[in-house]
Amino acid sequence: SAVISQKPSRDICQRGTSLTIQCQVDSQVTMMFWYRQQPGQSLTLIATANQGSEATYESGFVIDKFPISRPNLTFSTLTVSNMSPEDSSIYLCSVDRASGLAGEVDTQYFGPGTRLTVL
Amino acid sequence: AQSVAQPEDQVNVAEGNPLTVKCTYSVSGNPYLFWYVQYPNRGLQFLLKYITGDNLVKGSYGFEAEFNKSQTSFHLKKPSALVSDSALYFCAVASGGYNKLIFGAGTRLAVHP
Repeated sequence: SAVISQKPSRDICQRGTSLTIQCQVDSQVTMMFWYRQQPGQSLTLIATANQGSEATYESGFVIDKFPISRPNLTFSTLTVSNMSPEDSSIYLCSVDRASGLAGEVDTQYFGPGTRLTVL
Repeated sequence: AQSVAQPEDQVNVAEGNPLTVKCTYSVSGNPYLFWYVQYPNRGLQFLLKYITGDNLVKGSYGFEAEFNKSQTSFHLKKPSALVSDSALYFCAVASGGYNKLIFGAGTRLAVHP
């Protein structure tokens, strides 16, 4: 497994502002993922972030709203831009050690999440 | 399109009784199936997975799951429930050989003393 930390653990923000969430892993990993869990809902993948390449966004999520950085193999950030109350969610990062090549599936381990409330 | 269904919003079980949390899936290609548990105000914890091999998979905290290809199911089971098992359980599937997880809606397990 991997030890994953996220900062902040929670925040309350005003609409129109932006928040950057950090995800730190205790070992190098190829693939990092960002998920959103809206209140009372399941998890939805926002994007996949591989080091050295642009993040790959899922349908319904765009880079302007959720810019992602992946500067090295142990760290990533997700920014929630120009926030509205609809962005109130738990944001989770996850990692696995799969190479990213087709045919290789590994276990994803999740961070504790960042609980965001937008007023 | 890939999908996962958890038909029960909530499962209620008495402590000491066996529990089952249901999951069915729809994928093209070989399914890779996972169970996670989420305790209040905490992230997801991995319980077990099926990639290939034996249909009965054993995981953490005494949980197990049975992969049934003909019924496209991957139900989570435990022979004797504990009050501390009360939490939100998610089934997830990855397919196509890529590690993009599709999650079910989640099932809340309540174990009563």
